[in-house]
Amino acid sequence: EADIYQTPRYLVIGTGKKITLECSQTMGHDKMYWYQQDPGMELHLIHYSYGVNSTEKGDLSSESTVSRIRTEHFPLTLESARPSHTSQYLCASRVVGMQYFGPGTRLTVT
Amino acid sequence: QQQVKQSPQSLIVQKGGISIINCAYENTAFDYFPWYQQFPGKGPALLIAIRPDVSEKKEGRFTISFNKSAKQFSLHIMDSQPGDSATYFCAASSTGGFKTIFGAGTRLFVKA
Repeated sequence: EADIYQTPRYLVIGTGKKITLECSQTMGHDKMYWYQQDPGMELHLIHYSYGVNSTEKGDLSSESTVSRIRTEHFPLTLESARPSHTSQYLCASRVVGMQYFGPGTRLTVT
Repeated sequence: QQQVKQSPQSLIVQKGGISIINCAYENTAFDYFPWYQQFPGKGPALLIAIRPDVSEKKEGRFTISFNKSAKQFSLHIMDSQPGDSATYFCAASSTGGFKTIFGAGTRLFVKA
């Protein structure tokens, strides 16, 4: 079973602030993903990576950016948070066809 | 062709009853079909998965039925319990690919 860690778990921040959501995994998986999800609703892929120094935008347009400097680390950054960014952000990694999710970061922008 | 269509959107079942969630896909390149269970405030967790060379897989009270010719698969939860109340997502992926395509989710509520 993969271990995916996300910090912070909850974040309330004001409009215009820069934030970074952290994601790390200990299993050495090459493929990692960020999803945006409103509670109980669909999962929207916003970024993915298939290894170090490779990142791609997902299906949902997002104002966030990601980086992949180390295999185990896949942070997501919002340069200027807006109320429309209020949502849950889920990080995941994948091996073969199995995708493993972290606990999520619940972001509220006031 | 990349979509996975999931139904119903929501489901209410009596305790002890059978919960059935259905999914359909288009892309015949998919070769892995997992189901995820998500409780409020948590990330989705892998529940059970099947490959297209098998028509049925059972793990405890959870069973996946797979119909390759119809490109459909379903999750059956036998003897449904209030603790099964969660959102369930079906998904499809190809082993060598990068993306997992998720259904829109089914919110299951099991009445005590």
